[in-house]
Amino acid sequence: GQQLNQSPQSMFIQEGEDVSMNCTSSSIFNTWLWYKQDPGEGPVLLIALYKAGELTSNGRLTAQFGITRKDSFLNISASIPSDVGIYFCAGQSGAGSYQLTFGKGTKLSVIP
Amino acid sequence: DTAVSQTPKYLVTQMGNDKSIKCEQNLGHDTMYWYKQDSKKFLKIMFSYNNKELIINETVPNRFSPKSPDKAHLNLHINSLELGDSAVYFCASSFNTGELFFGEGSRLTVL
Repeated sequence: GQQLNQSPQSMFIQEGEDVSMNCTSSSIFNTWLWYKQDPGEGPVLLIALYKAGELTSNGRLTAQFGITRKDSFLNISASIPSDVGIYFCAGQSGAGSYQLTFGKGTKLSVIP
Repeated sequence: DTAVSQTPKYLVTQMGNDKSIKCEQNLGHDTMYWYKQDSKKFLKIMFSYNNKELIINETVPNRFSPKSPDKAHLNLHINSLELGDSAVYFCASSFNTGELFFGEGSRLTVL
């Protein structure tokens, strides 16, 4: 099946720093999504990207859909303690496809 | 109001037992899912139903049987529980997109 390579696996940063994480795939996706999971909770959608090259922001978060449709990145600017959690990328291969492929997650720790 | 609610939140049981997890969504979505999250936090799709019809059935032991009485409910029944079934099980729902709404998870521990 399709696989997503998400990196880094984990990161420790100081409060106020910017963060970048990315996902790559060997196959094309038509939709890229980024989710965040807080401890003890289910994942929550942060950003959805539907078009190659699309750059979308949600507050301090910015995500881009790679032009080749095989990659996406998520940036978090000026990190704060509540940014702590696991960030997952996910790809959907086609319109009408119900299957999402998830990356293995990036665990973010923010040092106050 | 909770959008996707699943019960129970915690479940501790002995090997060999049968257990069920229930899920309900009040978002009017037509597609519901069960995901399994292992100890390494990897999220893996198990089943998906669209309007009560099974559309995704990944390689899951047939001890796991989903049931969707209506499009707002998707329950998961597990027979003859094994140690390896210990995980967090997430229910989710969506319209026909990748924008999933997840429940809070049901943590299953098999002793």
